[in-house]
Amino acid sequence: EPEVTQTPSHQVTQMGQEVILRCVPISNHLYFYWYRQILGQKVEFLVSFYNNEISEKSEIFDDQFSVERPDGSNFTLKIRSTKLEDSAMYFCASSPPFGAADEKLFFGSGTQLSVL
Amino acid sequence: AQKVTQAQTEISVVEKEDVTLDCVYETRDTTYYLFWYKQPPSGELVFLIRRNSFDEQNEISGRYSWNFQKSTSSFNFTITASQVVDSAVYFCALSEYGGATNKLIFGTGTLLAVQP
Repeated sequence: EPEVTQTPSHQVTQMGQEVILRCVPISNHLYFYWYRQILGQKVEFLVSFYNNEISEKSEIFDDQFSVERPDGSNFTLKIRSTKLEDSAMYFCASSPPFGAADEKLFFGSGTQLSVL
Repeated sequence: AQKVTQAQTEISVVEKEDVTLDCVYETRDTTYYLFWYKQPPSGELVFLIRRNSFDEQNEISGRYSWNFQKSTSSFNFTITASQVVDSAVYFCALSEYGGATNKLIFGTGTLLAVQP
């Protein structure tokens, strides 16, 4: 089965530093997402991206966050100035067009971000 | 507003026992999708099932079965003859149908521990 690939699997950074989390969605998918999961808590929606622009974002996704699809394959999440509370597992996901037989979110394995 | 409630925080069973994980949802939409995802200790999110709101038939897949009842807004998940490999956190999730994005609203998860 095709996979969503995320790199790196672990990222350690100092508070105030910028981080970029990278994702390669499944090639024929059109919708891309970032979710996060703080340790021991539920998975929370951050942002969705379609047609090269943000289609929806949550309250968590403030001005410190940005997303980009710099080329035809990568989808990135940037945190400009990390805070301790940004420490979490970040999941990238993609989904095929609406109405597709396998219409669901395919999740990557996640990037564990630790802010020190 | 959409909401998913998984009242069971942790469940512990002995191998071969049957176990049911509860999920109750709230939505004003008349059409929507419901999902179950499994998160094993390795951390990835594994898709188990998607059900749309028009289809109230129960589904069985091997040892797994799902009971969708619109009248009580519940989408419960039963594992028959549980195995140690079933130990994981299980998330129920909801998304609106045909919305701008396929955003998932997750419950808080149920940690299932299957003892040998």
